[in-house]
Amino acid sequence: KQEVTQIPAALSVPEGENLVLNCSFTDSAIYNLQWFRQDPGKGLTSLLLIQSSQREQTSGRLNASLDKSSGRSTLYIAASQPGDSATYLCAVRKNTGNQFYFGTGTSLTVIP
Amino acid sequence: NAGVTQTPKFRVLKTGQSMTLLCAQDMNHEYMYWYRQDPGMGLRLIHYSVGEGTTAKGEVPDGYNVSRLKKQNFLLGLESAAPSQTSVYFCAIGQGTYEQYFGPGTRLTVT
Repeated sequence: KQEVTQIPAALSVPEGENLVLNCSFTDSAIYNLQWFRQDPGKGLTSLLLIQSSQREQTSGRLNASLDKSSGRSTLYIAASQPGDSATYLCAVRKNTGNQFYFGTGTSLTVIP
Repeated sequence: NAGVTQTPKFRVLKTGQSMTLLCAQDMNHEYMYWYRQDPGMGLRLIHYSVGEGTTAKGEVPDGYNVSRLKKQNFLLGLESAAPSQTSVYFCAIGQGTYEQYFGPGTRLTVT
């Protein structure tokens, strides 16, 4: 079974700081990896999707990288803002089957 | 939430009661998923469907049934609710192996 871990569970940073969120997975035979944002009491919003053949994806102030061989992905947020405060989740899809495996998330607080 | 709606938003059930959660999409995606989210455990897949008339079990299917009679709708049923099924339920859709889009969730409490 694929295990997905996100460390730290919670992170607090001052506004304007650049930060990195981590996601690790145990089985490197993945098809893709997706990063989500979840606001309290809300559903998940897709941020970035990285296919297994890609090394990174960028969207605005967000940059996600993937190192499949080491079982790691990072989400880089540049110039953080209070509006970035949310829980960030990563999910990996294995090469076989149709199932995504989720981490438990990192709760980010950006202090004005 | 990208054309995915869930009904109802909240529900309180007594142990042993039954209910059906509805997920509807307007994006014409083939794949639909039901997840549950519990504190400290992340999202876990209950059942999924890769097309109209098909369903398959996910990681935690026990106590749930599903049906996909129409492409745009995916129903999740609880035949005899138990307190362990207290959770937030999310529906998601996807097109093949591409990204998933999530609904706003249903918060279910079983007393």
